[in-house]
Amino acid sequence: SYVVTQSPSVSVAPGQTARITCGGDNIGSKSVFWDQQKPGQAPVLVVYGDNDRPSGIPERFSASSSGNTATLTISRVEAGDEADYYCQVWDGSSDWVFGGGTKLTVL
Amino acid sequence: QVQLVESGGGVVQPGGSLTLSCSVSGITLSRYGMHWVRQAPGKGLEWVAYIKSDGSNKYYADSVGGRFTISRDNSKSTLYLQMNSLRSEDTAVYYCARAHGTGIGHWGQGTLVTVSS
Repeated sequence: SYVVTQSPSVSVAPGQTARITCGGDNIGSKSVFWDQQKPGQAPVLVVYGDNDRPSGIPERFSASSSGNTATLTISRVEAGDEADYYCQVWDGSSDWVFGGGTKLTVL
Repeated sequence: QVQLVESGGGVVQPGGSLTLSCSVSGITLSRYGMHWVRQAPGKGLEWVAYIKSDGSNKYYADSVGGRFTISRDNSKSTLYLQMNSLRSEDTAVYYCARAHGTGIGHWGQGTLVTVSS
């Protein structure tokens, strides 16, 4: 089955740029979805596909992918961005896969 | 505004059964594929099952195949997850979620299932 991997944690100072990566075999050919989950809350989709954002999600959130790596970029990080971030991918057949999640800490 | 409201969670003994429901409002359910996703305490997200908009196709994670059944009643705007032969490792918050293209676009608030004697 398809496997995606994420680094467990990323730390960034307010106002700086955070980059969260998701690794998988030829993930650049797949549509990657990114979810934000704050403690005690349900996940919220923040970016999907070719860098599309649901309504209400700030432009500070963007995504890209190439080869075996997909990246979620959060510009001008704010304290309210502190959360767990998950990538999700459909394997193209009958399985949906999540990365293990990356905890973003705002210093 | 899309709303997904799960219900039916609770405490069940190992080997027992439970049925979760997800009431959907704000959209026409028959136009969307739907998922169940779970999250064990302190752990990450795990996809559980998917059902196509008209119910014609269903897919399951290997960890629940043969024990869980996903179904829907579009006339009642409701999604279901029948869970049998429950194990301690099935303890989790279960989320229903609306499909968006090849991914998951909108999540419910979740319902907690605890499998314990």
